[in-house]
Amino acid sequence: NFVLTQPHSVSASPGQTVTISCARSSGNIARYYVQWYQQRPGSAPTTVIYENNQRPSGVPDRFSGSIDSSSNSASLTISGLKTEDEADYFCQSYDNTNQLFGGGTKLTVL
Amino acid sequence: QLQLQESGPGLVKPSETLSLTCTVSGDSISTRNYYWGWIRQSSGKRLEWIGSIYYSGSTYYNPSLQSRVTISVDTSKSHFSLKLNSVTAADTAVYYCARHSSPLAAAYDPWGQGTLVTVAS
Repeated sequence: NFVLTQPHSVSASPGQTVTISCARSSGNIARYYVQWYQQRPGSAPTTVIYENNQRPSGVPDRFSGSIDSSSNSASLTISGLKTEDEADYFCQSYDNTNQLFGGGTKLTVL
Repeated sequence: QLQLQESGPGLVKPSETLSLTCTVSGDSISTRNYYWGWIRQSSGKRLEWIGSIYYSGSTYYNPSLQSRVTISVDTSKSHFSLKLNSVTAADTAVYYCARHSSPLAAAYDPWGQGTLVTVAS
């Protein structure tokens, strides 16, 4: 089995850029798609990135995703931060028999 | 517009069976290439995949829950259901249903609003 590890929290000011990491403990990060979800308080998660770096329609291009094989991790980058971006963010990936979510990162826009 | 709605008891006694239904509207539950999944979120906010089903009835379960989980689909009623038996307090969570295009690899979209299930006597 594997684990996806995210930082507990990150913070930044409006207009700045923030990156949230998602480290995979075992298994090649490049072999399995990574998804990213945004969850605002009291709401269900919504997809902001799928298949590593694809944005669903309606998600602004301020959101981008990438993977780094050297660190076996994925990243979600949000540029031009807005107060509305304040939320929890979760990564998700899988292996041959299971799918897992990261523990979530609370983004605070100061 | 596709919508999913969870329903079921909000309180279940320990050792009993948790039963939830997800009603699909705005599109056919029998649409090819889409799977229907259950995900739960504990109070500590961690998300956990429970399992998924295809309209044909093929099921895929989280190995850690497989012994206690049954997911079924009723295409005539446009809904799919979750049964989790022998529940304990650790099964207390918000339960979501959602659609995805692969049993393991694809993102969930959309999600239902979620329903809180508390396991307590």
